[in-house]
Amino acid sequence: AQSVSQHNHHVILSEAASLELGCNYSYGGTVNLFWYVQYPGQHLQLLLKYFSGDPLVKGIKGFEAEFIKSKFSFNLRKPSVQWSDTAEYFCAVIAVSGGYNKLIFGAGTRLAVHP
Amino acid sequence: SQTIHQWPATLVQPVGSPLSLECTVEGTSNPNLYWYRQAAGRGLQLLFYSVGIGQISSEVPQNLSASRPQDRQFILSSKKLLLSDSGFYLCAWSGGLAGEGEQFFGPGTRLTVL
Repeated sequence: AQSVSQHNHHVILSEAASLELGCNYSYGGTVNLFWYVQYPGQHLQLLLKYFSGDPLVKGIKGFEAEFIKSKFSFNLRKPSVQWSDTAEYFCAVIAVSGGYNKLIFGAGTRLAVHP
Repeated sequence: SQTIHQWPATLVQPVGSPLSLECTVEGTSNPNLYWYRQAAGRGLQLLFYSVGIGQISSEVPQNLSASRPQDRQFILSSKKLLLSDSGFYLCAWSGGLAGEGEQFFGPGTRLTVL
């Protein structure tokens, strides 16, 4: 069965530090990849997505992610975090296999950014 | 623009009582609809999805059921709640083919079963 692993459950950073959140998935075929973010008290919302094309994807609020097919990875990065980036981040994968394709979520990473 | 509503926002119910959580979508037609449960440290687990009125697919066996009486209405129910049903329930919708593309999430319902 397909699965998604997020390596860090809790990350604490100071403002202006660089961020990289790891995400690996297990599926050898075609995938659609997503990062969702849940700010405190808000809806889960899409940060960025990759379907095809340039493997370096830019999202909202200065976030980007790189799809490395050989490593089955889709890590999220931001060069300089802000206090407002404090949130929970979820990596998600759709294994495109015909018929209904289930969106599989990782366990999430809680990011706390201190001023 | 499309919006998705869930209610109630929070709910405290005794064990053995029934449950009904409602989700409605506005601004789109024939959406694919999903119910997820979010558990701390475990991400989101898909419970049910629906591609049309009256059509429900269950992902995991459990004490819950879902129904879609109208195009943009999705209901999560239980006849008798268990303690293990406590959690945060999210409804989502997507367009196009079910399971492809971006899903849009509602604000969620926090259910506590005592």
